[in-house]
Amino acid sequence: QVQLVESGGGVVQPGRSLRLSCAASGFTFSSYAMHWVRQAPGKGLEWVAVIWNDGSDDYYIDSVKGRFSISRDNSKSTLYLQMNSLRAEDTAVYYCARDSVSIAVRSFDYWGQGALVTVSS
Amino acid sequence: DIQMTQSPSTLSASVGDRVTITCQASQDISNYLNWYQQKPGKAPKLLIYDASTLETGVPSRFSGSGSGTDFTFTISSLQPEDIATYYCQQYDNLPSFGPGTKVDIK
Repeated sequence: QVQLVESGGGVVQPGRSLRLSCAASGFTFSSYAMHWVRQAPGKGLEWVAVIWNDGSDDYYIDSVKGRFSISRDNSKSTLYLQMNSLRAEDTAVYYCARDSVSIAVRSFDYWGQGALVTVSS
Repeated sequence: DIQMTQSPSTLSASVGDRVTITCQASQDISNYLNWYQQKPGKAPKLLIYDASTLETGVPSRFSGSGSGTDFTFTISSLQPEDIATYYCQQYDNLPSFGPGTKVDIK
């Protein structure tokens, strides 16, 4: 069965960096686009970034452009989110999610359990 | 950027009631619209994609309709396990979610 397991969350000071990982199993990871979606405490869902199946392109929400970087290692079936210059407003549960297609955005058909990132001094 | 709105923001209904949620896009998105269910402390779950197609394994009491800018999500007979927050999400451009509709039992 499809499994997505995030790791790397924690408490970090403003301005510092953190890298999230998402280990995928149960499907051919290299065949699907992958996303990061976040949810601030008590708030709604906010899409953060997407990377195509082959890593050839990626896109970001404006508020993280230049600070966050999405990447993937298809040989390890792992998705990453490098988060730099973190701000208090980046505090959220970060979910990795699989798209239903390879090179496009369509629907998030599988989700991980989420990793909590808290940015606080 | 495409903005999504949902109404109502919360609703209370009785078991067996028909429940309807509306979602509106700030511009024409054809049928590029999905619906998700999120239970407290859990990850979201895809229920409907392409505005009206039921995801495999999702009960048939859930349905969706609409195109262009106006969309509707319906639970034909509310069950206790349907207590959750429901989100619409567009994918005409970079994806964005509606603010959510919290559904509880009256």
